[in-house]
Amino acid sequence: ETGVTQSPTHLIKTRGQQVTLRCSSQSGHNTVSWYQQALGQGPQFIFQYYREEENGRGNFPPRFSGLQFPNYSSELNVNALELDDSALYLCASSLGPGPLHFGNGTRLTVT
Amino acid sequence: EDQVTQSPEALRLQEGESSSLNCSYTVSGLRGLFWYRQDPGKGPEFLFTLYSAGEEKEKERLKATLTKKESFLHITAPKPEDSATYLCAVQVSRGSNYKLTFGKGTLLTVNP
Repeated sequence: ETGVTQSPTHLIKTRGQQVTLRCSSQSGHNTVSWYQQALGQGPQFIFQYYREEENGRGNFPPRFSGLQFPNYSSELNVNALELDDSALYLCASSLGPGPLHFGNGTRLTVT
Repeated sequence: EDQVTQSPEALRLQEGESSSLNCSYTVSGLRGLFWYRQDPGKGPEFLFTLYSAGEEKEKERLKATLTKKESFLHITAPKPEDSATYLCAVQVSRGSNYKLTFGKGTLLTVNP
């Protein structure tokens, strides 16, 4: 059974740039979620995708957007990067409301 | 608004010294409470799901319990390899998404 994989593992961007993060779901999982984890904090829900549709969003601005593909993989896009966007971005997959299984994240640094 | 509070923020134990971590929550319509372990530079690793008050789950040296207001993660005779951040999260039954609301975590250090 293949777990959740994320790429890249680390990324450095400049304020104002755009970034795309990628995630492959665990096999058999049809739901993917994205979380942002700042240093010393718990993960914060960004949004969730099911059947290629966004079906829930946390308190994040529209410059955070995403996609889910037919094979259940997913992308997180962030436009107009700000310094406060520096964080660990976690992708998680699940089968319906079951436990979320997380990848090891992408560490984004905005300078 | 759903709230999850974990205590203590940090806990230092000697190997073999048992203790408990607390997770108190305020939600409307709990679907499930989740415990995760997170090692530095890694994503959270799923440990347990609890669905109703009175439920208990065990795995090796860990036991999770749930009441209507809080959950405890009991660690019996911990070893240095149990050192990690332990995260608690709640999932509510309203809406169609399955988002988790996390606490800030408890950083556990077990000294040999």
